[in-house]
Amino acid sequence: AQKVTQAQTEISVVEKEDVTLDCVYETRDTTYYLFWYKQPPSGELVFLIRRNSFDEQNEISGRYSWNFQKSTSSFNFTITASQVVDSAVYFCALSDEKGALIQGAQKLVFGQGTRLTINP
Amino acid sequence: DTEVTQTPKHLVMGMTNKKSLKCEQHMGHRAMYWYKQKAKKPPELMFVYSYEKLSINESVPSRFSPECPNSSLLNLHLHALQPEDSALYLCASSQEKGSPGTQYFGPGTRLTVL
Repeated sequence: AQKVTQAQTEISVVEKEDVTLDCVYETRDTTYYLFWYKQPPSGELVFLIRRNSFDEQNEISGRYSWNFQKSTSSFNFTITASQVVDSAVYFCALSDEKGALIQGAQKLVFGQGTRLTINP
Repeated sequence: DTEVTQTPKHLVMGMTNKKSLKCEQHMGHRAMYWYKQKAKKPPELMFVYSYEKLSINESVPSRFSPECPNSSLLNLHLHALQPEDSALYLCASSQEKGSPGTQYFGPGTRLTVL
């Protein structure tokens, strides 16, 4: 069964603190894709990163970094030196072979989201 | 350019009204999606169009009627909605040869049904 668990419903930190958002996934497929999206109060889901199951390299993009560990089925997201503009709901999502509908289309399984508040 | 646009941004309608939501993308994507998102919940998939054909309908009530006039446009026609249909409606598109594509989302339409 496909499932994404974001155990942290809400996180609140003070600006400049580092914060890690957890994501644990379940799939029986060997080929799958993991995503992180950011949803600010305006509502738009902003794509942050996509990671393929066969690429376990961690990634860093500015203050953002992602730690992909297949051994623990986790794809955690860390924001370093957080800023108020990072306040948003963050969703982790999974697409696997069952979710690959047709070429170019996919069915995403979303976690419940983590609401991150960065206080000044 | 990864822009998906949606109009209107906000919509208030009565239960007897007929209205439409519009989504547009110019990224050459051939898959387009409609999602419904209630407060404090993740998006729920409603419809998927691929190459302008409806490929997935997630058991959505018939008061929601999707339409894909061409590869860049996606509409959602609304009729006889209920107050519980009030939500954020998100459009997305994706394209990637040979593997499931990354979905890019629009800003959404906030719908209120009175």
